[in-house]
Amino acid sequence: QQPVQSPQAVILREGEDAVINCSSSKALYSVHWYRQKHGEAPVFLMILLKGGEQKGHEKISASFNEKKQQSSLYLTASQLSYSGTYFCGTGFSTSGTYKYIFGTGTRLKVLA
Amino acid sequence: NAGVTQTPKFQVLKTGQSMTLQCAQDMNHEYMSWYRQDPGMGLRLIHYSVGAGITDQGEVPNGYNVSRSTTEDFPLRLLSAAPSQTSVYFCATSDYNEQFFGPGTRLTVL
Repeated sequence: QQPVQSPQAVILREGEDAVINCSSSKALYSVHWYRQKHGEAPVFLMILLKGGEQKGHEKISASFNEKKQQSSLYLTASQLSYSGTYFCGTGFSTSGTYKYIFGTGTRLKVLA
Repeated sequence: NAGVTQTPKFQVLKTGQSMTLQCAQDMNHEYMSWYRQDPGMGLRLIHYSVGAGITDQGEVPNGYNVSRSTTEDFPLRLLSAAPSQTSVYFCATSDYNEQFFGPGTRLTVL
């Protein structure tokens, strides 16, 4: 049930681009993206809603393909501060309630 | 506003001991949840609550209990600690658009 992210890890040089993918076996109605620095709590980056537009945050943007049940996070011209672990997250309605789970995570390291 | 607070920050337990991890929020969110994070394992949902008096199990609920008597508080109880429960525990609240995390509790069970 946990969304699967790819790649598991990526190493970049400053200024390079990266794409992180999130794929779900269940229908997605919204996808959230978070970044977690080492030793800290995850921090919200953006939300993408079903039927909504691609969202952007600084040089980080994302897309959401409802039919393929996938989302992708695009990091453009990477900076050292982009290093961390990225998680997609999504909510599911189940048995009359709602629960929120995270993807498997992608570790990203940006080198100078 | 404090946001989401968790106590303690660190805890060491012996196998078989019980304890309660505290989580409090001042954001007036109905939705609260507990996750555990193990190295390389991502965030796994333990229990969650959609409002006072309503709780439900997540993906890895065994060995943990929760209750929600108020909107603000959502404690997580370890009934009989086991080394497999060594982890970092995060409490989170949500307005259904964004998850807000507490700073985490690092728990070691010997």
